[in-house]
Amino acid sequence: NAGVTQTPKFQVLKTGQSMTLQCAQDMNHNSMYWYRQDPGMGLRLIYYSASEGTTDKGEVPNGYNVSRLNKREFSLRLESAAPSQTSVYFCASSEGTGPRYEQYFGPGTRLTVT
Amino acid sequence: ILNVEQSPQSLHVQEGDSTNFTCSFPSSNFYALHWYRWETAKSPEALFVMTLNGDEKKKGRISATLNTKEGYSYLYIKGSQPEDSATYLCAPYSGGGATNKLIFGTGTLLAVQP
Repeated sequence: NAGVTQTPKFQVLKTGQSMTLQCAQDMNHNSMYWYRQDPGMGLRLIYYSASEGTTDKGEVPNGYNVSRLNKREFSLRLESAAPSQTSVYFCASSEGTGPRYEQYFGPGTRLTVT
Repeated sequence: ILNVEQSPQSLHVQEGDSTNFTCSFPSSNFYALHWYRWETAKSPEALFVMTLNGDEKKKGRISATLNTKEGYSYLYIKGSQPEDSATYLCAPYSGGGATNKLIFGTGTLLAVQP
């Protein structure tokens, strides 16, 4: 099992460009998440999908959109990238969204917006 | 939004030393506390999910305790080894309202010198 995979690993964008970060999991998990990691801050939740067909905003959703394409895949789109979106992005999945479910993380995408 | 504090921010110990660090969180509306281990250049991996006051969990040389009444958890590492070097994240589960999610602390960075 590959677990949680993310593409690309690295990306450089110019301000105003758009891109989609891809995430897939092969653990048959119901719930998936997108986080960003910035220096000096904890992982912050951007969006999550409790189950196939649903998505909800997290703590820092502005400037992002998501699509839960099917049970396996959850993508994050930046419509018009800004330097403030320079960060490392992690996708994660879990069996459910309740408090007992541990999350499994992908390897991350390092995004730089110039 | 929960206020999660981890201390110390970083810790340098010698191989064989035992060490511990703290996670503090608001004690009201407690659901669960997660601990994750995050090695450099890898992604976070779950260590423990703790739900009950007085809970103690153990995995090899690493153990954790939970006090939900006063809002803290300790992580202990007995006989630290260089491979224990990582950032240790705690994340209480914030429930109720529009979003149910983990709130990650900024972590304790542990460096074990051989």
